Amino acid sequence: KAGVTQTPRYLIKTRGQQVTLSCSPISGHRSVSWYQQTPGQGLQFLFEYFSETQRNKGNFPGRFSGRQFSNSRSEMNVSTLELGDSALYLCASRAGLAGGSEQFFGPGTRLTVL
Amino acid sequence: GQQLNQSPQSMFIQEGEDVSMNCTSSSIFNTWLWYKQDPGEGPVLLIALYKAGELTSNGRLTAQFGITRKDSFLNISASIPSDVGIYFCAGQLLGAQKLVFGQGTRLTINP
Repeated sequence: KAGVTQTPRYLIKTRGQQVTLSCSPISGHRSVSWYQQTPGQGLQFLFEYFSETQRNKGNFPGRFSGRQFSNSRSEMNVSTLELGDSALYLCASRAGLAGGSEQFFGPGTRLTVL
Repeated sequence: GQQLNQSPQSMFIQEGEDVSMNCTSSSIFNTWLWYKQDPGEGPVLLIALYKAGELTSNGRLTAQFGITRKDSFLNISASIPSDVGIYFCAGQLLGAQKLVFGQGTRLTINP
C-alpha cells in the first residue's frame, strides 16, 4: 500500500504570493491533517479534515486554509505569504477520528519564502 | 495549548548506551504513538499503544502505555548511529478527536 504523498517536495515563493500544497492520503484513509514545522520547533497543528469537512483547527491566521476532496485528497493554501511562513509542511493521514487510529506522515513540502 | 510534556528535550549519549524518554500529561489518553523524524523528512511511526499497561517492542525499541493512562515512555537499547534524530510522542485524549504532540526529544550519538 502506498504511503502518504505530498507535492511538491520543495517550493520557493516570494512575500505576498500565495501557495497551494497537495496531499494524497493512504488508500482508505479518510482523515487528513496538516502541520507546520519550523527549525527548532515541534509540530504545530494547522487543521484536520475528515469526509470533506474540517473537524479540528489549530491557532493559525485565516491566511492558512485547506480543503478535502471526495477522494480524500487534500490541499492546503497559504495566501499573502510572509517570511515567517518558511517551514516544512507535513501532511498526515489516518483511517478515522476515533482512538486507536494510527496516523502516518508524508515526506513534507519544504516552503521557502524570500 | 500544549498538553503533553516530553522529556528530555535533548540527549547526548555514547553509541551502545540505552536511551529512555517519556511523555506525561495531566489528562487521560486512549492512544499513544511514538515517531522518529530524520532531518528534512516526515516523522515515521515507530510504535502504537492502545491499552493501559501495554508494553510493545519494535526491534530495539520498547514503549509502554502508562497504567494511569497519563503517560508513556520509549526505550531504545544498545543505541547505534542511525538512531540519531528527533523522537516525538503523540496522544489522543479520551473523548477527543485531535492528536496532540510532545515537543520532541533530540537524540545525538557519539560514536
